[in-house]
Amino acid sequence: SQTIHQWPATLVQPVGSPLSLECTVEGTSNPNLYWYRQAAGRGLQLLFYSVGIGQISSEVPQNLSASRPQDRQFILSSKKLLLSDSGFYLCADGRMNTEAFFGQGTRLTVV
Amino acid sequence: GIQVEQSPPDLILQEGANSTLRCNFSDSVNNLQWFHQNPWGQLINLFYIPSGTKQNGRLSATTVATERYSLLYISSSQTTDSGVYFCAGSQGAQKLVFGQGTRLTINP
Repeated sequence: SQTIHQWPATLVQPVGSPLSLECTVEGTSNPNLYWYRQAAGRGLQLLFYSVGIGQISSEVPQNLSASRPQDRQFILSSKKLLLSDSGFYLCADGRMNTEAFFGQGTRLTVV
Repeated sequence: GIQVEQSPPDLILQEGANSTLRCNFSDSVNNLQWFHQNPWGQLINLFYIPSGTKQNGRLSATTVATERYSLLYISSSQTTDSGVYFCAGSQGAQKLVFGQGTRLTINP
């Protein structure tokens, strides 16, 4: 099965600073990639979804953006972080009729 | 899109007890998974189970697709079973939608 790599594992950033979280997939090609955010230890909110290079679907209006410059690379970004952007960010590869796999996540604290 | 409802939201048990966690879907799904989130936040795949029954050690799961629900059974609970359990589903190539989770606490 594939492996989802995320880094960094933890991040503390000041309000107003930029953000770049990277997710790369190993062991497969043409993944369907997701960014989720988990706040308050419960519930995963879907942020972005991508079925291919340059194809991004945004689920909720927010201060974040996503890009997919390569088949197995998915990047979550912000130009200016808000306190409300704090949370646990998870990247996943999930396709129709197959099991989805998650990375180990990035815990972001905006101070 | 589909809605996913999990019950109970919280469950506290003594070590050795059995438990049943439930997941209801608002519409039919063809992808259905159960996950365990460990204390470090990592989502551990438990079962991929769009229909039928599967077992893995002390854990088993059953999905009744026609009635749009799935059950996760944990037998002879251990303290290491503690954590949050999530179910998630999708329709076709649509995005994977999660329930709000069941927080399981197993006391020694």
